[in-house]
Amino acid sequence: GAVVSQHPSRVICKSGTSVKIECRSLDFQATTMFWYRQFPKQSLMLMATSNEGSKATYEQGVEKDKFLINHASLTLSTLTVTSAHPEDSSFYICSARDRGGAHDTQYFGPGTRLTVL
Amino acid sequence: AQKITQTQPGMFVQEKEAVTLDCTYDTSDPSYGLFWYKQPSSGEMIFLIYQGSYDQQNATEGRYSLNFQKARKSANLVISASQLGDSAMYFCAMRVSTGNQFYFGTGTSLTVIP
Repeated sequence: GAVVSQHPSRVICKSGTSVKIECRSLDFQATTMFWYRQFPKQSLMLMATSNEGSKATYEQGVEKDKFLINHASLTLSTLTVTSAHPEDSSFYICSARDRGGAHDTQYFGPGTRLTVL
Repeated sequence: AQKITQTQPGMFVQEKEAVTLDCTYDTSDPSYGLFWYKQPSSGEMIFLIYQGSYDQQNATEGRYSLNFQKARKSANLVISASQLGDSAMYFCAMRVSTGNQFYFGTGTSLTVIP
């Protein structure tokens, strides 16, 4: 299957700082990427859909000014958690849609575990 | 509205036995795709198998097969000859042709017992 990388895998930061997470599709071009948040022992919660060259589409209840998404190229999307607070601590996982693949599948990055102190 | 239901929060299976993980879905869109992902404790989501709504045959990928019953709107994952490495969370997901996003179930935690 296609490969999606995510960096960093783990980050610990102080309250009030901003954290940037990168998501890259390594062997395919992804016009659409997705950002999810996952709490322990729960399913994935879609935060936003990132479209290359246009603004992201945020799900209801997700603050777009707090979770900034940029999809500047066909292989890179970034999520910036601005002014992070302890309640933002979570597992963030991105995925990229491989439209040229066999089943138009979403492939996921390995995730980023964010801890805000 | 689209919905995926996984009613088994946890399952146990003896090593080398087969196990079925249940998934039912609801959509009014006639064209959709069903996916299964595995999430080990490391957190990564691993794509396992895909079934299209118009596929006539059940999908198979190695030890994974999908028992697709369209009339019942079910897409159960069958893992044959379970291995210890199969212990993980398993998520069923659906995407409809008119949309972009995946709809995920709540997941099933599978534990393979030696």
